Amino acid sequence: TQLLEQSPQFLSIQEGENLTVYCNSSSVFSSLQWYRQEPGEGPVLLVTVVTGGEVKKLKRLTFQFGDARKDSSLHITAAQPGDTGLYLCAAYSGAGSYQLTFGKGTKLSVIP
Amino acid sequence: NAGVTQTPKFRILKIGQSMTLQCTQDMNHNYMYWYRQDPGMGLKLIYYSVGAGITDKGEVPNGYNVSRSTTEDFPLRLELAAPSQTSVYFCASTRGARSYEQYFGPGTRLTVT
Repeated sequence: TQLLEQSPQFLSIQEGENLTVYCNSSSVFSSLQWYRQEPGEGPVLLVTVVTGGEVKKLKRLTFQFGDARKDSSLHITAAQPGDTGLYLCAAYSGAGSYQLTFGKGTKLSVIP
Repeated sequence: NAGVTQTPKFRILKIGQSMTLQCTQDMNHNYMYWYRQDPGMGLKLIYYSVGAGITDKGEVPNGYNVSRSTTEDFPLRLELAAPSQTSVYFCASTRGARSYEQYFGPGTRLTVT
């Protein structure tokens, strides 16, 4: 089972600040996903990255997949209170894999 | 569409009791999954199914059983509940394997005392 390590585990910032969270592994991923989970709800997909070096933008969120497909980052510009939540990275381990492995998550609090 | 629905939303069990967590999806997805989420531990896969009649173990299957008699339903059975099974349980479904979005239900919060 591959291990996905997310950092930081907790992050508390003021509204308007920028932040980056990281997802790292020693394994190579066939694809990697980022989910956001709000209290009392299930995770919701933000993005899927599949190509090494790929960069995807979703409004103020920028996702990057490492060239070697072993790591990923999520950068949020000008954070807003609505960005508060648990950010989870997840990956399928290899060709034909049906199992999605999740990191432990980064809990983000954006203070107004 | 309702997506993925789970019942019940909350449940308290005594040690040794049994129960079934229900999961239904209306998206005609072949792949369905059960996860548990403990505080600070992310989501761990319990069981999954790639189609009706086909199930397989995930990372933490001990103490649980599943069945998949239809495409829509994927119930999770807890036999002889233990305090270690106190957790939030999520059911998910996806159209295909690898890179496809998993759609999650709202979760069942289970406490075993």
